[in-house]
Amino acid sequence: DAGVIQSPRHEVTEMGQEVTLRCKPISGHNSLFWYRQTMMRGLELLIYFNNNVPIDDSGMPEDRFSAKMPNASFSTLKIQPSEPRDSAVYFCASSFRRTGELFFGEGSRLTVL
Amino acid sequence: DQQVKQNSPSLSVQEGRISILNCDYTNSMFDYFLWYKKYPAEGPTFLISISSIKDKNEDGRFTVFLNKSAKHLSLHIVPSQPGDSAVYFCAAKGRGNQFYFGTGTSLTVIP
Repeated sequence: DAGVIQSPRHEVTEMGQEVTLRCKPISGHNSLFWYRQTMMRGLELLIYFNNNVPIDDSGMPEDRFSAKMPNASFSTLKIQPSEPRDSAVYFCASSFRRTGELFFGEGSRLTVL
Repeated sequence: DQQVKQNSPSLSVQEGRISILNCDYTNSMFDYFLWYKKYPAEGPTFLISISSIKDKNEDGRFTVFLNKSAKHLSLHIVPSQPGDSAVYFCAAKGRGNQFYFGTGTSLTVIP
């Protein structure tokens, strides 16, 4: 069975450029989460969706960050314009709400120069 | 503010001994707690969980203990093996289905 699929695995870009990270959740899962991993804050919840609807985006650091889930099988996290402090590993995760367990993708490592 | 805290960034244990990883939380409304294991360059993977109505859950070498009055949970690994070397994240689930994670504890099991 395919797990959560994220792309790209690695992204190196220059400050000011737009970055788009993509995620395909596990089929049948109805909740999707975007996390950012940093040394200081560990796995930080950015936003999550239930049934494609954004429920809580209070973790999105700034207006430069936006996330969409146009359908049950695809989500994007966009940073525009990107800054060096956005450099981190971004994880997407999905779950079937009733079971409560999160399944993570392998992450997208973003480096902003 | 961190709602889930792991105050030990790292832990080293001899192979065969017990590893104890600790986690504290602040929100008494959390109803489900989980431990995840993460290897470098991989996503976290689910290890074990416990509901807030229980105080212990065991799965093979892994046992999670929950002390609700102290808002504390711990993960025990017995016996520890070199393959257990990884970063361990504690997580708590809120009523709205949000999952809050700690900063992680890097476990090294020395052969």
